[in-house]
Amino acid sequence: DIQMTQSPSTLSASVGDRVTITCRASQSISSWLAWYQQKPGKAPKLLIYKASSLESGVPSRFSGSGSGTEFTLTISSLQPDDFATYYCQQYSSYSLFTFGPGTKVDIK
Amino acid sequence: QVQLVQSGAEVKKPGASVKVSCKSSGYTFTNFGISWVRQAPGQGLEWMGWISAYNGDTKYAQKLQGRVTMTTDTSTTTAYMELRSLRSDDTAFYYCARVNYYYALDVWGLGTTVTVSS
Repeated sequence: DIQMTQSPSTLSASVGDRVTITCRASQSISSWLAWYQQKPGKAPKLLIYKASSLESGVPSRFSGSGSGTEFTLTISSLQPDDFATYYCQQYSSYSLFTFGPGTKVDIK
Repeated sequence: QVQLVQSGAEVKKPGASVKVSCKSSGYTFTNFGISWVRQAPGQGLEWMGWISAYNGDTKYAQKLQGRVTMTTDTSTTTAYMELRSLRSDDTAFYYCARVNYYYALDVWGLGTTVTVSS
């Protein structure tokens, strides 16, 4: 099975900061990677699919990049609504999905 | 609008089974898959498996093989997830989510809490 790692596990930042989260796959997944935001007590929300495509309705301050085994989610200017936990998720050729362990973004 | 409505909270004893439903609306049910994801208290997201609503093909996470079954009823546009031989570590929020054409989960249900306790 493909394993996913994320770094950092926790990130303290201020409103207006540029924030970058990294996700790594244990083997190449081409561009089959998505990013989600989850707030406490809520279902996850899709932000980015196919590594770099912005989901409809998601603010343009969110962007994704990467392919193969290394991917990044960038928030260009952190807003108060962005404090949350972020997960990456891969899809493999064996029809399997895996989530990363998550990155919590909290207030500095 | 596109939505997934899940069944209500469940409390089960160890060894029992639970079946959670996920009623879809607002889109053509058979054009998408449904994935199930769970989240134990204070933990991350765990993918459980998915089912094609088109042909019923399923794929399950290896750790749940033999204990989980996912089905769909196209006449009612409802997906189901049954988990058997429940243990205390199955206590979690269970989510259904639509699988889009890029294998991302673009619409989520609100979740169903399943508590396993003697």
